[in-house]
Amino acid sequence: DAGVIQSPRHEVTEMGQEVTLRCKLISGHNSLFWYRQTMMRGLELLIYFNNNVPIDDSGMPEDRFSAKMPNASFSTLKIQPSEPRDSAVYFCASSYGRGYTFGSGTRLTVV
Amino acid sequence: GQQLNQSPQSMFIQEGEDVSMNCTSSSIFNTWLWYKQDPGEGPVLLIALYKAGELTSNGRLTAQFGITRKDSFLNISASIPSDVGIYFCAGQLGAQKLVFGQGTRLTINP
Repeated sequence: DAGVIQSPRHEVTEMGQEVTLRCKLISGHNSLFWYRQTMMRGLELLIYFNNNVPIDDSGMPEDRFSAKMPNASFSTLKIQPSEPRDSAVYFCASSYGRGYTFGSGTRLTVV
Repeated sequence: GQQLNQSPQSMFIQEGEDVSMNCTSSSIFNTWLWYKQDPGEGPVLLIALYKAGELTSNGRLTAQFGITRKDSFLNISASIPSDVGIYFCAGQLGAQKLVFGQGTRLTINP
């Protein structure tokens, strides 16, 4: 299995632009988690899905952030419009019950 | 809400030394997990603990699930340069979302 695959690995964009991060789950996993990691706040859970249904989005910073899971194997996290304070590493992780498997992350820089 | 207190926040050791870090919680978990994050990568699962009191080893790593189910420790014996990274503990109750500690950053001087 190729593991959790995230794209792009790096993204540099200008403030105000739309950013879309992508994640492909491990086959057979039914839960999907989006995290944001910064030096100041560590790993923050943004949103998670179970069987394609959003369960808890209380960690989504504001309406500029949205996440979708159009099918059982794929998810997107969109930021529109992006701001410099959104700069961070964004991870997705998938799970089937216990424990998570993380992707390698997308390093987002908003200038 | 649930929180995990992980200590120490950072460690600076000499190559070959043993390492010990721990994690405590005010809440009970029925699964404890230890992850390691290398620079530029996502966290990778090192050890999973499922039973109170369970002691599990993975090479030079040993982790234990506390009897009260509110704590866990991770030991690394005879540290080597590739052990450098950030170590996270995480607790899980049933199939609910993981609760992560803030991490222990390990630096090794050759």
